[in-house]
Amino acid sequence: NAGVMQNPRHLVRRRGQEARLRCSPMKGHSHVYWYRQLPEEGLKFMVYLQKENIIDESGMPKERFSAEFPKEGPSILRIQQVVRGDSAAYFCASSPEHGGEAFFGQGTRLTVV
Amino acid sequence: GQNIDQPTEMTATEGAIVQINCTYQTSGFNGLFWYQQHAGEAPTFLSYNVLDGLEEKGRFSSFLSRSKGYSYLLLKELQMKDSASYLCAVILNNAGNMLTFGGGTRLMVKP
Repeated sequence: NAGVMQNPRHLVRRRGQEARLRCSPMKGHSHVYWYRQLPEEGLKFMVYLQKENIIDESGMPKERFSAEFPKEGPSILRIQQVVRGDSAAYFCASSPEHGGEAFFGQGTRLTVV
Repeated sequence: GQNIDQPTEMTATEGAIVQINCTYQTSGFNGLFWYQQHAGEAPTFLSYNVLDGLEEKGRFSSFLSRSKGYSYLLLKELQMKDSASYLCAVILNNAGNMLTFGGGTRLMVKP
């Protein structure tokens, strides 16, 4: 049973470009969470999704950021018109049900140049 | 707002015992997790406490006091590979498994 898969592991974008980060949850998991970790800081919750639904996006910046978890395929975190301050590690976690242990992917390290 | 506080850094000696504290003041509480994170890697699960008391798992133990808003992670017989960040995280309510993290404690184990 593969763990949570994130790709790419590393992503470099120029300012103004779009970044797409993908997350495939563990098999049988229907809940996906995205977190951002700035250098030398803790993880900050961004968004919680179930299949085809955004449950809580209270941690998402109001502009340029969006997330989806379609019926088929991975969850996508999309950042439009990236800026240098978006450089961070973005972690995805999945769980089978609410209250169950969340397993983390290896993260995508986004660098904006 | 939600406050989850832990020391920024700690240093300990190989073979020793270290206790990493975490205090929280949150609008809700539905459990507390401890994760280990090595530099550049994903957080990995260590423990989950929802009731008061001590949970022991090998060299690692975690304690929770809900009335005091306090938890600690105890690491025994420290090994060099235990050098990592230790993250305390709280689930605020029943709506999913969204974790609110503290800033993490960077533990350095010295020979």
